[in-house]
Amino acid sequence: DTEVTQTPKHLVMGMTNKKSLKCEQHMGHRAMYWYKQKAKKPPELMFVYSYEKLSINESVPSRFSPECPNSSLLNLHLHALQPEDSALYLCASSQDVVSEQFFGPGTRLTVL
Amino acid sequence: KNQVEQSPQSLIILEGKNCTLQCNYTVSPFSNLRWYKQDTGRGPVSLTIMTFSENTKSNGRYTATLDADTKQSSLHITASQLSDSASYICVVRTLDSNYQLIWGAGTKLIIKP
Repeated sequence: DTEVTQTPKHLVMGMTNKKSLKCEQHMGHRAMYWYKQKAKKPPELMFVYSYEKLSINESVPSRFSPECPNSSLLNLHLHALQPEDSALYLCASSQDVVSEQFFGPGTRLTVL
Repeated sequence: KNQVEQSPQSLIILEGKNCTLQCNYTVSPFSNLRWYKQDTGRGPVSLTIMTFSENTKSNGRYTATLDADTKQSSLHITASQLSDSASYICVVRTLDSNYQLIWGAGTKLIIKP
């Protein structure tokens, strides 16, 4: 298996909802990432996990809560989001933090 | 400040034609430079990766060049196809303790039949 999978593909949620985004890879990669991408902009790094430990948090608001249950899975828990949080959320993984990153197809999130 | 600038911002060409996209960077210390292709609403896919010592690298109809002295890179697409319509993003990795990725804003390429 040489791909990163993300679920769901699309998500619409209200500002009071709690939802989670999921990411999975079976390439044996030990680094996993969450990015946020607004339209016509490059991806912005949110979080980096290395060996299942959070190593980088790019000053992301606490309404986004990452979780790495094991080396293959990465979750992003969402709570009390704002409409401006609507974006494409990309997950990526790499052998380690200095190796090439492989991206998933993304989750298109809309906050109403 | 580490920056990656791409030009043009957008480009429309006819199917079968060639095109060249530009990337200028002011990133130090430099580790490597990647070109990604991103279809609308999808994740980026790596096309090429180049280190300091590499001048040219090809991947099918895609050829990337790197001039480390002038800190410029280009991506040349030969005999364009409709499926080449996408955003092409230049990304430079730093060689510091954070191994940070510096992303360009991308070039939106549209191939018309």
